[in-house]
Amino acid sequence: DIQMTQSPSSLSASVGDRVTITCRASQSISSYLNWYQQKPGKAPKLLIYAASSLQSGVPSRFSGSGSGTDFTLTISSLQPEDFATYYCQQSYSTAWTFGQGTKLEIK
Amino acid sequence: QVQLVQSGAEVKKPGASVKVSCKASGYTFTGYYMHWVRQAPGQGLEWMGWINPNSGGTNYAQKFQGRVTMTRDTSISTAYMELSRLRSDDTAVYYCARRYSSSGPSWYLYYFDYWGQGTLVTVSS
Repeated sequence: DIQMTQSPSSLSASVGDRVTITCRASQSISSYLNWYQQKPGKAPKLLIYAASSLQSGVPSRFSGSGSGTDFTLTISSLQPEDFATYYCQQSYSTAWTFGQGTKLEIK
Repeated sequence: QVQLVQSGAEVKKPGASVKVSCKASGYTFTGYYMHWVRQAPGQGLEWMGWINPNSGGTNYAQKFQGRVTMTRDTSISTAYMELSRLRSDDTAVYYCARRYSSSGPSWYLYYFDYWGQGTLVTVSS
């Protein structure tokens, strides 16, 4: 299976900060990389698909980049509602896998 | 509007089986693969497998091979995930998630666009 490794595992930041989360695949996955946001007690929500395409309705402060094995999710200016856990997920292989998650906390 | 509504919480003893349902509405059930993802308390997301509601074909994560069975009933637009020989570490919230797909001559897009609300399965003696 393709292993997905996110860094950092947790991150403290303030409202207005620019934040970047990294996701690395154990082999090339082209651009078949999606990002989800999950808040406590809720199902995950799609933010970015195909590495850099913004899902409809998601604020433009969220952006994604990368291809091959290295990917990033950037939040340009953190808002209070952005404090959550973020997961990357590859859809390149028939066995989908998620990163372990990055918990974004308020500093 | 698309909705995935899952069955309620379950408490099971070790060694038992559990069957979770996911009722779809607002779209053509047979047109989208359904995946299952679980999340143990305080842990990350773990992909379990998928079912093609049109053909009934399945693909399971190797970890769950031999213990998981995904089925569907197209007459009521419902997908099911059954996990057998339950252990305490199977305690988790189980989600169904619809796979969006699109493709061209040399590309494809797959992602989860809708999720169920989750079903907590607790395994305890």
